[in-house]
Amino acid sequence: GAGVSQSPSNKVTEKGKDVELRCDPISGHTALYWYRQRLGQGLEFLIYFQGNSAPDKSGLPSDRFSAERTGESVSTLTIQRTQQEDSAVYLCASSLGAGPEPQHFGDGTRLSIL
Amino acid sequence: GEDVEQSLFLSVREGDSSVINCTYTDSSSTYLYWYKQEPGAGLQLLTYIFSNMDMKQDQRLTVLLNKKDKHLSLRIADTQTGDSAIYFCAEIPMTGGGNKLTFGTGTQLKVEL
Repeated sequence: GAGVSQSPSNKVTEKGKDVELRCDPISGHTALYWYRQRLGQGLEFLIYFQGNSAPDKSGLPSDRFSAERTGESVSTLTIQRTQQEDSAVYLCASSLGAGPEPQHFGDGTRLSIL
Repeated sequence: GEDVEQSLFLSVREGDSSVINCTYTDSSSTYLYWYKQEPGAGLQLLTYIFSNMDMKQDQRLTVLLNKKDKHLSLRIADTQTGDSAIYFCAEIPMTGGGNKLTFGTGTQLKVEL
């Protein structure tokens, strides 16, 4: 497809388990972003990748959260030892370059921690 | 203020115009964006405006920018039931560094018949 693809679309897991969320950006987009949207709230920035530069991790809420990106393609966001407050929709976006290019979003992964 | 502010709800009748307002934080923000989110979906980029512009029109959408007051608005002409959604304004503040979007809390638009 031509858009940002995220998987899984829904994930339900028990508290304390690790989860891995995947994002496939639009082909040719060098910048990739992860955001979190908790119920009834706006979006919070988590992490930003641009090419081979060191990622901007300033939005990660704790050391249980980490993300990787292979080159300019797929990214995975990992949450270890999940807590109930991690329940949210995790949205991935990509953009053409390092400037303030418009960011295009996937449909998100809805994560529910029991 | 330090938050991007939007009113939470707006209700309009089908066929009327809708105006969604936003106050952003950083007068040096270069681009300002409007996104639409339908239930269970991600964010759809509707339009964006460069800070050296006062107005941008794209079909039924008109964006107005008042840099002095850091005020952004989105006008939807001839509002349809399919326009019912949450609308987010967003900026990339130059003061924060990087390209991370800072979003408002969203305005839920309800279109009534």
